[in-house]
Amino acid sequence: EAQVTQNPRYLITVTGKKLTVTCSQNMNHEYMSWYRQDPGLGLRQIYYSMNVEVTDKGDVPEGYKVSRKEKRNFPLILESPSPNQTSLYFCASSWGAAGELFFGEGSRLTVL
Amino acid sequence: QKEVEQNSGPLSVPEGAIASLNCTYSDRGSQSFFWYRQYSGKSPELIMFIYSNGDKEDGRFTAQLNKASQYVSLLIRDSQPSDSATYLCAVNINNNDMRFGAGTRLTVKP
Repeated sequence: EAQVTQNPRYLITVTGKKLTVTCSQNMNHEYMSWYRQDPGLGLRQIYYSMNVEVTDKGDVPEGYKVSRKEKRNFPLILESPSPNQTSLYFCASSWGAAGELFFGEGSRLTVL
Repeated sequence: QKEVEQNSGPLSVPEGAIASLNCTYSDRGSQSFFWYRQYSGKSPELIMFIYSNGDKEDGRFTAQLNKASQYVSLLIRDSQPSDSATYLCAVNINNNDMRFGAGTRLTVKP
């Protein structure tokens, strides 16, 4: 089954404790992206990757890091989480930046 | 000005009516346009995409694009309670990334 898998789905953490949200896709897509969704603001792009070892900033990259060492994986790293990073996070993949996005189920993160 | 703007709603229509969802965008160079549906607590899923001016129909859904007016819309005919969701307009910017509107919440009342 074609899918994008994110983990964890739910996480409560404390300020400053490093965490990683994993994302993996099995569709051999070149393009992957991370979004955060906040009420009234819609989906805002954090980082995207056009291919392995190619990443770039989206609209709201501050406080986040990503890496793309393999085609299928695109982890999102919060080195020192802060409460303003409390949000619902979605990973998505596509054949290209202009194509249909396939979304993971989302990861709800709470930073206390 | 936001790059992609939608009325947040909520938009309420009776069952069987036509629901009309609208979206405007700021980048004249945008080439591809998408409508995603997002049920509460779920991830977005693609309903329609449109690249050319005019109408594109798929079942009960019609996407309309007017590049001169920088306007894209989604019509849902014979609306059903199962269509109640948030509809996200997405526009491809510079062929590098997808920008989303804040979404319009639609409620279809039986």
